[in-house]
Amino acid sequence: LAKTTQPISMDSYEGQEVNITCSHNNIATNDYITWYQQFPSQGPRFIIQGYKTKVTNEVASLFIPADRKSSTLSLPRVSLSDTAVYYCLVAGRTSGNTPLVFGKGTRLSVIA
Amino acid sequence: DTAVSQTPKYLVTQMGNDKSIKCEQNLGHDTMYWYKQDSKKFLKIMFSYNNKELIINETVPNRFSPKSPDKAHLNLHINSLELGDSAVYFCASSQDLAANYGYTFGSGTRLTVV
Repeated sequence: LAKTTQPISMDSYEGQEVNITCSHNNIATNDYITWYQQFPSQGPRFIIQGYKTKVTNEVASLFIPADRKSSTLSLPRVSLSDTAVYYCLVAGRTSGNTPLVFGKGTRLSVIA
Repeated sequence: DTAVSQTPKYLVTQMGNDKSIKCEQNLGHDTMYWYKQDSKKFLKIMFSYNNKELIINETVPNRFSPKSPDKAHLNLHINSLELGDSAVYFCASSQDLAANYGYTFGSGTRLTVV
């Protein structure tokens, strides 16, 4: 499981775009990058997953540069309800690559 | 319908007691997990089961014993509870061990040992 580094916290105003970057310098060839969101008193929720370039869904976009040593989760026009902890996970999509530890994540606070 | 449901949501108990946490998933997934989230907010895996078979047992004390009666259920029994066991315990499931579509977590059980 590749080691990841994310900012501990970020603040943003409502309506702004938020970009959270995760560094994963020792990412392996078969590793995918997955982001989870966790609200207080809830379990983490899958947001988006990607391998390279750009992935977009109804919730977020994920940008991955060619060297794949980092990734950026982009949340468009955040609202107060986006206040949560965001985890970046890097692991292979094969059996035996269960993530043993989710890091501390990035605590995003959205301000009115 | 809740995809991964665990009970109870809160559990307060005295040191030395034995308690159980139940987990059920209605997603038809083959693989289930128990994670522990401590006060520092790290989420660490404890166990994983695939089709009722134990796959991961991540250096967890013997006081913790998971049981999977079928692939939709994974319960956690804890003997002789200690203060350090206080944490939030999350059950999760994935389609299979590869988890290509990610993990679905329950809402957690906050265990407080006094």
